[in-house]
Amino acid sequence: DVKVTQSSRYLVKRTGEKVFLECVQDMDHENMFWYRQDPGLGLRLIYFSYDVKMKEKGDIPEGYSVSREKKERFSLILESASTNQTSMYLCASSPTSGSPNEQFFGPGTRLTVL
Amino acid sequence: SQQGEEDPQALSIQEGENATMNCSYKTSINNLQWYRQNSGRGLVHLILIRSNEREKHSGRLRVTLDTSKKSSSLLITASRAADTASYFCATALNSGGYQKVTFGIGTKLQVIP
Repeated sequence: DVKVTQSSRYLVKRTGEKVFLECVQDMDHENMFWYRQDPGLGLRLIYFSYDVKMKEKGDIPEGYSVSREKKERFSLILESASTNQTSMYLCASSPTSGSPNEQFFGPGTRLTVL
Repeated sequence: SQQGEEDPQALSIQEGENATMNCSYKTSINNLQWYRQNSGRGLVHLILIRSNEREKHSGRLRVTLDTSKKSSSLLITASRAADTASYFCATALNSGGYQKVTFGIGTKLQVIP
């Protein structure tokens, strides 16, 4: 059974803290994605990676960075958390592009920044 | 800006009825996908329809695609209470060697037992 796991389901942090969100997939997928989901705005792409050590900015990368040192792991970093980063964060992976393919999602991390 | 826009944003029906959700988009696509999300969970892929296809079926799901109108619809027949969830369309476009996928804001479906 294919699986994408995220390190935490719920996280509470203080303004200014450095926050790490971890995502691991066991499907040997090349592509990995980080989204945030907010009411009325749907899913918005923060960053994605198509290979180890490669990253591309999505639609809303400001205030975030990512790291992909191993194929199975994609980390999202909030260098200095702010209250407007309170959101649901969803990680996804997909096989290599070139053919139509679906994304497999993790369960999400609900982050609250106080 | 969001590529896909679902309509309606919320839908409430009785168990056994059919549910229809629509998605409109603005630019060319290679394929369109529908996902489901149970409350507080991740998204699950339901069905993918390529730009050269007009209709696709999977169990109780029927998806249509009209590229001339830039719209798609998802029909769930004989709905069940367990179908209660949010449904998202996602448009995919091959760009620079990658497949850029853009999600809409979703339709919240409630199926009343």
